[in-house]
Amino acid sequence: NAGVTQTPKFQVLKTGQSMTLQCAQDMNHEYMSWYRQDPGMGLRLIHYSVGAGITDQGEVPNGYNVSRSTTEDFPLRLLSAAPSQTSVYFCASSRSRGPSGNTIYFGEGSWLTVV
Amino acid sequence: QKEVEQDPGPLSVPEGAIVSLNCTYSNSAFQYFMWYRQYSRKGPELLMYTYSSGNKEDGRFTAQVDKSSKYISLFIRDSQPSDSATYLCAMRPGGTGANNLFFGTGTRLTVIP
Repeated sequence: NAGVTQTPKFQVLKTGQSMTLQCAQDMNHEYMSWYRQDPGMGLRLIHYSVGAGITDQGEVPNGYNVSRSTTEDFPLRLLSAAPSQTSVYFCASSRSRGPSGNTIYFGEGSWLTVV
Repeated sequence: QKEVEQDPGPLSVPEGAIVSLNCTYSNSAFQYFMWYRQYSRKGPELLMYTYSSGNKEDGRFTAQVDKSSKYISLFIRDSQPSDSATYLCAMRPGGTGANNLFFGTGTRLTVIP
């Protein structure tokens, strides 16, 4: 009963480095999303996908890249890490629409520090 | 102005107290209203959702939506130490998907034994 699995849990990066946060879900959900959570800002949507091969930008997409080659996986790439990207990142998945679309399942989070 | 406003707290109550958590919003198009609970160093988990105005009860939890005032509430009866967490409100317009979810900043609650 895995749900949404994120790796790594913790990561320290140097400014300018690139890395990929991995996300996988085993619930056959159409929607997958990446959020970042910062103190006083709440959860903010970075990128989302409504199905394999389809992605779109959320509220704060700059500096991040995504792709969705399969229904299960939705990796988030940091292209050139900046200290402003220090945050907690959550991957989430859900059904597409209707009442069941309100049940968003979140991963455990990835704590990223950029120095 | 943020779309969703939530008092960050922190809020401390004794065990057994009734807890009231609230959010206000500005977008009259919001139709679905949700409450998430987030334990420390964990992802948020859905507690309840409500469609449009009205009340919804689930055990010790009651969610209320007043669309005329653009105000939603979550009540926790007989609060327990295990309820200590951050509570996030979230909402979205009708006819949209989960990508259109707007979150409050969260209220940190501590229930003291």
